[in-house]
Amino acid sequence: SYELTQPPSVSVSPGQTASITCSGDHLGDKFVYWYQLKPGQSPLLIIYEDTKRPSDITERFSASSSGNTATLTISGTQPLDEAHYYCQAWDKSAVFGGGTKLTVL
Amino acid sequence: QVQLVESGGNLVKPGGSLRLSCAASGFSFSDYYMTWIRQTPGKGLEWISYIGGNGDTAYYSDSVKGRFTISRDNAKSSLHLQLSGLTVEDTAVYHCARLVYSNGWYHFDYWGRGTQVTVSS
Repeated sequence: SYELTQPPSVSVSPGQTASITCSGDHLGDKFVYWYQLKPGQSPLLIIYEDTKRPSDITERFSASSSGNTATLTISGTQPLDEAHYYCQAWDKSAVFGGGTKLTVL
Repeated sequence: QVQLVESGGNLVKPGGSLRLSCAASGFSFSDYYMTWIRQTPGKGLEWISYIGGNGDTAYYSDSVKGRFTISRDNAKSSLHLQLSGLTVEDTAVYHCARLVYSNGWYHFDYWGRGTQVTVSS
């Protein structure tokens, strides 16, 4: 079955840029979606179709995808960005990465 | 605005059953595929079921096929998931989400906060 691999954790200082990767075979041939999960809140779609941002998502979130890796970039990271981030793609069904805990130290 | 609110989660014994519900508002419910996704600390997110807008199409992951049944009531803008034959591996937060079609693929554009299902003796 298709698998997406994410680092379990990423740490960043406030104001710096955080990058979260997502790897999978020929991932660049698929659309990649990114979701933000915070405890007690509804998960939030932050990136769709590799690079597109929903209208209510801050420009600080951006993403790219090429080859076997997609990358979510958070610029000017703020404490409120501390959350779990999941990538997702489609194979025979929706496949999620294992999630990355972003810590803003 | 789009709102999805789940309910029905509970503590249940192995082998037991449960019915989850999701109340939708803020959009034309029958126009959208709807889905259930569960979240566990160990496995992360797992997509388990979807249903078409008029209820004629349904999908189940292998992990729940034959045990879970998805349904919807478009008149009440509600989505349901009947869980049976529960095992400890089904312990999770269950989210309902809306599927939206774009550029040949679907994605989950709105989610509910989820409802906790705990399977334990």
